[in-house]
Amino acid sequence: QQQVKQSPQSLIVQKGGISIINCAYENTAFDYFPWYQQFPGKGPALLIAIRPDVSEKKEGRFTISFNKSAKQFSLHIMDSQPGDSATYFCAALIDNYGQNFVFGPGTRLSVLP
Amino acid sequence: DGGITQSPKYLFRKEGQNVTLSCEQNLNHDAMYWYRQDPGQGLRLIYYSQIVNDFQKGDIAEGYSVSREKKESFPLTVTSAQNNPTAFYLCASSTNSGGAYEQYFGPGTRLTVT
Repeated sequence: QQQVKQSPQSLIVQKGGISIINCAYENTAFDYFPWYQQFPGKGPALLIAIRPDVSEKKEGRFTISFNKSAKQFSLHIMDSQPGDSATYFCAALIDNYGQNFVFGPGTRLSVLP
Repeated sequence: DGGITQSPKYLFRKEGQNVTLSCEQNLNHDAMYWYRQDPGQGLRLIYYSQIVNDFQKGDIAEGYSVSREKKESFPLTVTSAQNNPTAFYLCASSTNSGGAYEQYFGPGTRLTVT
């Protein structure tokens, strides 16, 4: 119930292509879903986030698609660049008061030049 | 320049020794967190604190201890009771701005215990 599943584990995309990372959750009480980007040896940084009352949110080349009925959400990176090569984590807010999140296991993205 | 600092970046200890990881923030955030990150796994919550002098256990608190004597500081002690302490440790703080929750992470400390 407190888990977020993420796929694929790793992803290789050509420069200019579209990167798609998928996440699924079970607990319908989750109501805030951020994506974090982490470069090697660094802490994660918030990339984009969505609430389940919208089906899509776009910020630049990054888009979250949200399917509330299927309890799934995905990150799309358009026109992927080598600088996007990083590990991406989806997450879900499980506790509004404590502001605690549960994180997916991560997807390592490599964008080839 | 606001942010979260963690020190040291790399830490080596012998098995059986306690070690304390530092975390300081100047973002004026009330909430602070410690996570552990292992290869192929997401971030797992060790401890969190919503306010000074108060903290709660996360999912994997055994073998760890924390204190929150000041708003800006949240040190983590890895005790000898933690049977697999080698990992990348991340400290974070958070704010809730108009319903937008964001956790800000520090650069991490990589602990190696041999």
